[in-house]
Amino acid sequence: GQQVQQSPASLVLQEGENAELQCNFSTSLNSMQWFYQRPGGSLVSLFYNPSGTKHSGRLTSTTVIKERRSSLHISSSQTTDSGTYLCALGTGGNNKLTFGQGTVLSVIP
Amino acid sequence: AQTIHQWPVAEIKAVGSPLSLGCTIKGKSSPNLYWYWQATGGTLQQLFYSITVGQVESVVQLNLSASRPKDDQFILSTEKLLLSHSGFYLCAWSPGGNTLYFGEGSRLIVV
Repeated sequence: GQQVQQSPASLVLQEGENAELQCNFSTSLNSMQWFYQRPGGSLVSLFYNPSGTKHSGRLTSTTVIKERRSSLHISSSQTTDSGTYLCALGTGGNNKLTFGQGTVLSVIP
Repeated sequence: AQTIHQWPVAEIKAVGSPLSLGCTIKGKSSPNLYWYWQATGGTLQQLFYSITVGQVESVVQLNLSASRPKDDQFILSTEKLLLSHSGFYLCAWSPGGNTLYFGEGSRLIVV
């Protein structure tokens, strides 16, 4: 089965609303990263968060290892937040990242 | 500061033609290097990784090969492209920890 599952698959928000993106994984992890994928395809690293909670501006990432989940919270969404958000589970010794399918976020004005 | 550069940005190639995609990392010696691939609408998959010059490990078989001719260079290639090779190719580097830093990517369309 799929090791990393993201939900929801897509999300539409009104500007100013908050978003909660989920990432559930079925195996033990070495690392958890969240990325923003620009419409052109390049990736921007948002968080490296193997456990606990981290904050960066309007973004918060929380990883709970024993529950095998990680979340990305976006507060006061803006239209420029639109794009695809990917979580990636790090396992093994070669820094292999197993990516989720992503959540496509659309923020409308 | 470290920089990662991929080339070309995009290519349209015919089935059966050869391919070479390049990736260069500046500002970091002996990085771990990776190739990832994403089919249109698909999930990113790791293809290859390399921890040192001349050494490359394959993760997924896609009739592609990779080489690391220099410490700062990672090349992805094939002699004969298939339609299924179309997609987005990303190079990444790691300082040895668990954080990866990605290049801007190369988009390939095989016709």
